[in-house]
Order: sequence, then structure tokens, then C-alpha cells
Amino acid sequence: SQQGEEDPQALSIQEGENATMNCSYKTSINNLQWYRQNSGRGLVHLILIRSNEREKHSGRLRVTLDTSKKSSSLLITASRAADTASYFCATDEGAQKLVFGQGTRLTINP
Amino acid sequence: DTGVSQNPRHKITKRGQNVTFRCDPISEHNRLYWYRQTLGQGPEFLTYFQNEAQLEKSRLLSDRFSAERPKGSFSTLEIQRTEQGDSAMYLCASSLWTNTEAFFGQGTRLTVV
Repeated sequence: SQQGEEDPQALSIQEGENATMNCSYKTSINNLQWYRQNSGRGLVHLILIRSNEREKHSGRLRVTLDTSKKSSSLLITASRAADTASYFCATDEGAQKLVFGQGTRLTINP
Repeated sequence: DTGVSQNPRHKITKRGQNVTFRCDPISEHNRLYWYRQTLGQGPEFLTYFQNEAQLEKSRLLSDRFSAERPKGSFSTLEIQRTEQGDSAMYLCASSLWTNTEAFFGQGTRLTVV
């Protein structure tokens, strides 16, 4: 089953612009995680935000979590060509397994 | 420790053959997950272990699929009588406990011809 739903499915921006991706989920969670995947590769963990946190930063990444709306957003500031990848959110459904959304395909144009 | 390791990286097999994949998690991690990912889709949960106990199996995991994690260390995922629909990337991940970051291996890409 897919718990998270990312929006948009695809995003294309110019290098240097900011990119925002959204994730909605269905059930209560303990934490939400964001991952990046370059084409044909494994997933790289970006950031974890716990249910009692509202915002978290890591370098050029900013994640917000709104548990009342069951949604999260990932902001990448000052995008670079190397940020081109698919981005997935994952939630700990029932505090057990990680469940992923369909992902947002981000393309950074030079 | 260099992270989660999966072998082989690529596997091409003929329909009807059995295949086995191996995952070596980060050594102190108690949880180990298997996922399947097809092109353009997010990873789909297959099963997970806490130490050596297999705690949950997805309905995606038909009777042809079996996973083990003897002694709570490495894990194997076996697919018997492979079908073309089994062609996918099989991803393994591990985490210390629930509520902590999960780290993924590079995956095993299976092609059934």
C-alpha cells in the first residue's frame, strides 16, 4: 500500500531557484522521512522529522510537518544541477514499516 | 562499516528459474526491510525483520517469495519460479530501531527473460 502521496509528480526549474515538494499521508505517524534517488540507484536518506517537530533544516533543505493536515513539505533552496533526482517521502505506518509515496521527479535545468 | 550492501547488483535469469539475493545491513541495526521498485514508482514494501523475526509480509509477497534473516545478521530474499512480472529493483534497508533513519543499499536489479 502507498501511504504518502507526493505532489507534484514532476517539477522542472532553473538552477538557482527553489524547489518545493509536498507529501500527504493518511494515518498517524511517529516520524516522516525524505529520501533522494538518482536514476537507477539506491535511496539516500535526507532528513527525518518527528511527529512533535514542525520544522527541520539540513543545509539547503527545509522540511515542515503539519500533523493536523497530515502533510509535509520539502524545500530545496538555491537548487543545483546535482539536485536532479526523484524525491520520496516515507512514513512509519503504525510505527512499523516504512511506506513510500510515488515520488516527485525533480529536474534542474542549467 | 560502509553501509548496507546488496549482492548481486544485477541478475538476469530465465523465466522459471530460482534466484536469491543477499543483503548485509549495517552491523548494529536491528531492523531490516525489503522493498521492490519498478520504473517510475516508489518502493513497495515487501517484508521486514526485527533481529531474526520476520514481523510482517506484504500481500505482494506471494508464496514464491521467501525471506530469511538467520541470527539477525544478513538477509536473503529468494524468488522461486521467476516470472517476467518479477523484473524490478529489489531494495534492502536497515535501521537501528523504528523511529530512526533507514539506510538503503544500492539494490539488486532483476531482469527475467
